[in-house]
Amino acid sequence: DAGVIQSPRHEVTEMGQEVTLRCKPISGHNSLFWYRQTMMRGLELLIYFNNNVPIDDSGMPEDRFSAKMPNASFSTLKIQPSEPRDSAVYFCASSLGGESPLHFGNGTRLTVT
Amino acid sequence: GESVGLHLPTLSVQEGDNSIINCAYSNSASDYFIWYKQESGKGPQFIIDIRSNMDKRQGQRVTVLLNKTVKHLSLQIAATQPGDSAVYFCAENSPGTASKLTFGTGTRLQVTL
Repeated sequence: DAGVIQSPRHEVTEMGQEVTLRCKPISGHNSLFWYRQTMMRGLELLIYFNNNVPIDDSGMPEDRFSAKMPNASFSTLKIQPSEPRDSAVYFCASSLGGESPLHFGNGTRLTVT
Repeated sequence: GESVGLHLPTLSVQEGDNSIINCAYSNSASDYFIWYKQESGKGPQFIIDIRSNMDKRQGQRVTVLLNKTVKHLSLQIAATQPGDSAVYFCAENSPGTASKLTFGTGTRLQVTL
């Protein structure tokens, strides 16, 4: 059981650069979630997909953030342009959908200088 | 000015004692609740879940209690071990959207030898 796989584990970039975070959900899971964790705000849901379709993106901070899920085994979260306040740990999680637990990856720690 | 992060309540427990971690949830219509454990540098890890039609559920060394009257959730860990040291989060679903979880701010559990 490989679990949810995220890459990269760490990303350091300069303000204004594009950042792409990647996620491979657990095989067979049909729901995928992107969360952001900061000391100030804790764990916040950004967006989630069911069967590759975005269902709720109300947590996406602004238009600089976008997420895609081109197939059942891959999703990306893109920030363009990045800003220092985007610095956080970004988690991807997947689940079987409905009332089932989310399984999280180990996150991408993003630092924007 | 200096930014202030979330102040995580901390519970210190001696090894071998029982731990009780409490959580107040916000929405009386939530019907699915989960406890997660997060170790440093890792993603949240599923511990146990409970649905609103139950008031108690037991796992291996852990018990979750749900009191819907006062919107309170607790996690009991029996015979606490050093490996239990972590931050523990409760999460509730959004009514009508079983997949969408809102996380609490977390409690840090420190196990002393």
